[in-house]
Amino acid sequence: AQSVTQLGSHVSVSEGALVLLRCNYSSSVPPYLFWYVQYPNQGLQLLLKYTSAATLVKGINGFEAEFKKSETSFHLTKPSAHMSDAAEYFCAVRPMNRDDKIIFGKGTRLHILP
Amino acid sequence: DAGITQSPRHKVTETGTPVTLRCHQTENHRYMYWYRQDPGHGLRLIHYSYGVKDTDKGEVSDGYSVSRSKTEDFLLTLESATSSQTSVYFCAISEIQPTEAFFGQGTRLTVV
Repeated sequence: AQSVTQLGSHVSVSEGALVLLRCNYSSSVPPYLFWYVQYPNQGLQLLLKYTSAATLVKGINGFEAEFKKSETSFHLTKPSAHMSDAAEYFCAVRPMNRDDKIIFGKGTRLHILP
Repeated sequence: DAGITQSPRHKVTETGTPVTLRCHQTENHRYMYWYRQDPGHGLRLIHYSYGVKDTDKGEVSDGYSVSRSKTEDFLLTLESATSSQTSVYFCAISEIQPTEAFFGQGTRLTVV
């Protein structure tokens, strides 16, 4: 069964510092991977997705993520944090061999310190 | 925004009463999902559908049932609401892989 683990339910970084949010997956076959962002009292918005075309994926708002099969990871990064990045971030997995479930991690709340 | 409408957006109900949440899409996407979001648990899949009348259970399906009689509508029913079902419920839609899921704005359900 597929699963997603996000390390750290809360992450704090200073404005201008590197953002690193960690995601590891468990899947019997290589999956598709997604990062979503949720601002307070809103739905989820896609940041970026990995669909096997390229291991380094660029998304919106300056975020990017790298798929590392050997580490079963898909960590999200941004070189310089902005106050507007404060939100909750979710990693999600969907297996390539079946058109069904999309499973989410528990989320990481990102706090930006002035 | 993807054409997904959840109704109602807010509901307060009493323990033991039946509740139905509706998800309506205008995108003609094949897959529809119901998730619940709770602090510390992220989004957990309740049920999903891969076509009209084709549904399957997710990881937290106990106490919930679903129906999909038309491509555009996916209903989530709590047969007898309990306080543990107080949550924010999100509907999502998707096409065949490798596309992502698109989310509705959520329904905040409070069971008192």
